[in-house]
Amino acid sequence: SQKIEQNSEALNIQEGKTATLTCNYTNYSPAYLQWYRQDPGRGPVFLLLIRENEKEKRKERLKVTFDTTLKQSLFHITASQPADSATYLCALDLYQLDTGRRALTFGSGTRLQVQP
Amino acid sequence: DADVTQTPRNRITKTGKRIMLECSQTKGHDRMYWYRQDPGLGLRLIYYSFDVKDINKGEISDGYSVSRQAQAKFSLSLESAIPNQTALYFCATSTGVPYNEQFFGPGTRLTVL
Repeated sequence: SQKIEQNSEALNIQEGKTATLTCNYTNYSPAYLQWYRQDPGRGPVFLLLIRENEKEKRKERLKVTFDTTLKQSLFHITASQPADSATYLCALDLYQLDTGRRALTFGSGTRLQVQP
Repeated sequence: DADVTQTPRNRITKTGKRIMLECSQTKGHDRMYWYRQDPGLGLRLIYYSFDVKDINKGEISDGYSVSRQAQAKFSLSLESAIPNQTALYFCATSTGVPYNEQFFGPGTRLTVL
């Protein structure tokens, strides 16, 4: 079966450290992968996108890697702050077999808690 | 983000009732989506629309229907609500080009008793 896996256990780190979140997938060949941030009771917010031919993408304190051989993306937050505490979702852009349309398929997310 | 709005924000209803969730957007995007979110299951796609005449089923469309009244409006209906449809529902929009970056509404918390 096809699936996207993110660590369901919360990640707790100290302020100032680098947080690393993992997104693994099986049986997909996505053209690109996206990361979103979701705060409690709110809708997800887009953070970064990385294409299949890109190994790494950076935006301020955020870095995403994409290894299509390992079928894995890593999401890093450097110099983490308590304000970074949230749930982070990865999403793969995939063709829907029954419609031929592209749509996002989301992982279940990993909750990050940054301790001051 | 006020660009994508959802009404109602919270709704409690009873089994068997028909209920409609509404989504409006001012972003001018052609593509609109409905997702549900359950604890531990992440976001799952219910329906999506690429324009007013283009409606597509998502992963979990059974028990739901949609209407795209205009480019800016996309409604989700539960014809006969059941308790396992209790969830957080999100509407989203995107341009689709060049990438499918999505913009989400604030969500509707639906409880079916």
